[in-house]
Amino acid sequence: EAAVTQSPRNKVAVTGGKVTLSCNQTNNHNNMYWYRQDTGHGLRLIHYSYGAGSTEKGDIPDGYKASRPSQENFSLILELATPSQTSVYFCASGENWGQDTQYFGPGTRLLVL
Amino acid sequence: QQKVQQSPESLSVPEGGMASLNCTSSDRNFQYFWWYRQHSGEGPKALMSIFSDGDKKEGRFTAHLNKASLHVSLHIRDSQPSDSALYFCAASPLTGNTGKLIFGLGTTLQVQP
Repeated sequence: EAAVTQSPRNKVAVTGGKVTLSCNQTNNHNNMYWYRQDTGHGLRLIHYSYGAGSTEKGDIPDGYKASRPSQENFSLILELATPSQTSVYFCASGENWGQDTQYFGPGTRLLVL
Repeated sequence: QQKVQQSPESLSVPEGGMASLNCTSSDRNFQYFWWYRQHSGEGPKALMSIFSDGDKKEGRFTAHLNKASLHVSLHIRDSQPSDSALYFCAASPLTGNTGKLIFGLGTTLQVQP
C-alpha cells in the first residue's frame, strides 16, 4: 500500500506567521495533492502537482502556495497565516492522472491563533 | 451547490446488520466514483472504485452504480464496530481535469455492538 507521511502532525501558529506543511511519499507516484478538511465542507483541493517542479491551483488556492522540489516531496506554504486557515490538512498521492485512486497521509492539524 | 451529494448524513446500524449509503452527482460530466473511509484521527482510505453500470463486490462491501441517474450506493453487509467511520463518496469527470476528485460531505456510520 502507498505510504504517505506528513509533518508536523500538529501545529500552532500565530496570525501573520509563515507555516510550512510537508508531505513525503515513497511510492514514486507522479501526482500529489493538498486538501483541507472542514466540517460542512468536506475535503477541498488546494493545490496539486503532476511531478517534480510542477504545481497547479486547485479549487481553493487563495492564501496558499505549493512547492514540489522532488518526486517524493510536496509542501504547502502559508506565507501569512490567518485564523480562517485553521483546519486539518491532508496530502495525497496517485500514480496516474485520471480515474486513479488517491492515497492519503494521516493529516496535519493546524491551529492559527 | 455540491456536485456530489451524500445521504444520509449519519446512520446507525446494529452489529451484523446492513448499512446502505447513497451518493448522487449533479453534474453529468462526473461519472467515475470512489468510496473512501476515514476513521477518526486518520486520513481517508479508498475502499473501492466503480466506473461501470451495475454492481461491484469486494468482500462485505458492494457498490452499485446507475449512470443514467448518476447515483451510486455502498452496501456494507455484516457490519462490524470497526466499520464505524466517516464515509466519503468522490467523483472525477469524464472530460476536462480528469484527475481531480470532488468529494461529498460524507456519511457518518455508527455500528452498535
